[in-house]
Amino acid sequence: DTGVSQDPRHKITKRGQNVTFRCDPISEHNRLYWYRQTLGQGPEFLTYFQNEAQLEKSRLLSDRFSAERPKGSFSTLEIQRTEQGDSAMYLCASSVAGVWNEQFFGPGTRLTVL
Amino acid sequence: RKEVEQDPGPFNVPEGATVAFNCTYSNSASQSFFWYRQDCRKEPKLLMSVYSSGNEDGRFTAQLNRASQYISLLIRDSKLSDSATYLCVVTASGGSYIPTFGRGTSLIVHP
Repeated sequence: DTGVSQDPRHKITKRGQNVTFRCDPISEHNRLYWYRQTLGQGPEFLTYFQNEAQLEKSRLLSDRFSAERPKGSFSTLEIQRTEQGDSAMYLCASSVAGVWNEQFFGPGTRLTVL
Repeated sequence: RKEVEQDPGPFNVPEGATVAFNCTYSNSASQSFFWYRQDCRKEPKLLMSVYSSGNEDGRFTAQLNRASQYISLLIRDSKLSDSATYLCVVTASGGSYIPTFGRGTSLIVHP
């Protein structure tokens, strides 16, 4: 399967714990995006990379969130000191840099913070 | 005003019906537009891009109206399998390739 993959698919954690999610984009895609989605809402942009450079971060992204893409391939999203409000689906998408920027999504990681 | 607005629905239609959704956007500098389909508890999947000249793919037709700042999606001859949430996505120009998603429009096609 050459699509976007994410790991884990589900994560249950206790409030205050740190969690890390991984995303492997489509191999020839140089842009990688992270989104958060809650029930009844569309995906909300968190951050994106072009190759290994993190180009944009949402102003809604608190200091507890950090993302990396060290070699321009896979990416990780870490949430420190999780809160119940962090419970959501975390989606990763990749695309080829260009004006149209058609994105392809991974299956997501569903986070539940107890 | 939200950057991208959609009627959440649900739109409840019988099989074979024609249904249309609109999506309005606030940034007149927006440059690329898409419709995605999302099934319950699944990831969004690209349905079609919306070009200035419009786009048609089988039973699906998408159009862009820059003057009124909206995009539309028309589904003809609805199938049960078309039941899903349809998300519109708008990306602004200016070098910041950050897509903004609408909240989605729910479609339910019934027998």
